[in-house]
Amino acid sequence: ETAVFQTPNYHVTQVGNEVSFNCKQTLGHDTMYWYKQDSKKLLKIMFSYNNKQLIVNETVPRRFSPQSSDKAHLNLRIKSVEPEDSAVYLCASSSENTLYFGAGTRLSVL
Amino acid sequence: QQQVRQSPQSLTVWEGETAILNCSYEDSTFNYFPWYQQFPGEGPALLISIRSVSDKKEDGRFTIFFNKREKKLSLHITDSQPGDSATYFCAASENYNQGKLIFGQGTKLSIKP
Repeated sequence: ETAVFQTPNYHVTQVGNEVSFNCKQTLGHDTMYWYKQDSKKLLKIMFSYNNKQLIVNETVPRRFSPQSSDKAHLNLRIKSVEPEDSAVYLCASSSENTLYFGAGTRLSVL
Repeated sequence: QQQVRQSPQSLTVWEGETAILNCSYEDSTFNYFPWYQQFPGEGPALLISIRSVSDKKEDGRFTIFFNKREKKLSLHITDSQPGDSATYFCAASENYNQGKLIFGQGTKLSIKP
């Protein structure tokens, strides 16, 4: 099966903790992304990686950092979570003109 | 500042009717407009797309109408089915640039059987 896989599905944590989300794609794509989807379902790009090179880095807080070991993996680390980080984090990869999304990781910060 | 706007925020139609979802944009350099469909608990998936050189794109029951002069487009879903109930996102970018896709805020569509 070829797709975009994210773990965990859900994560509940407290303010100030560090969290890490994993993403793997088996589609053979060169570019991967992290999007944040807020409670109103608004989708905003956070990062994109092409062959391990960061090519888009929107103005996200510095506590967020993408981590990639190869072009099939792009993880997301949040160093010290804050309440406003509660959201669904969607990983995606792309071919020429299509984004393929994973099912997302829902983060709740208490 | 929302560069891509969608309306209505939510829409309910009866099974078999045509659902019309609207989208407008601001940046005249946008020339690629995909629509993504998202079911609860899943990520969005590409449904249909159009380039600005066309004014209409059809794929089965889904049709995009595009008005470049007014910077507006709409997604028509004919013969709506309960399985079409989902959130639909209009997006825009320049030259297929997935890294620069700007998404609208979505329209939540409910189809009543």
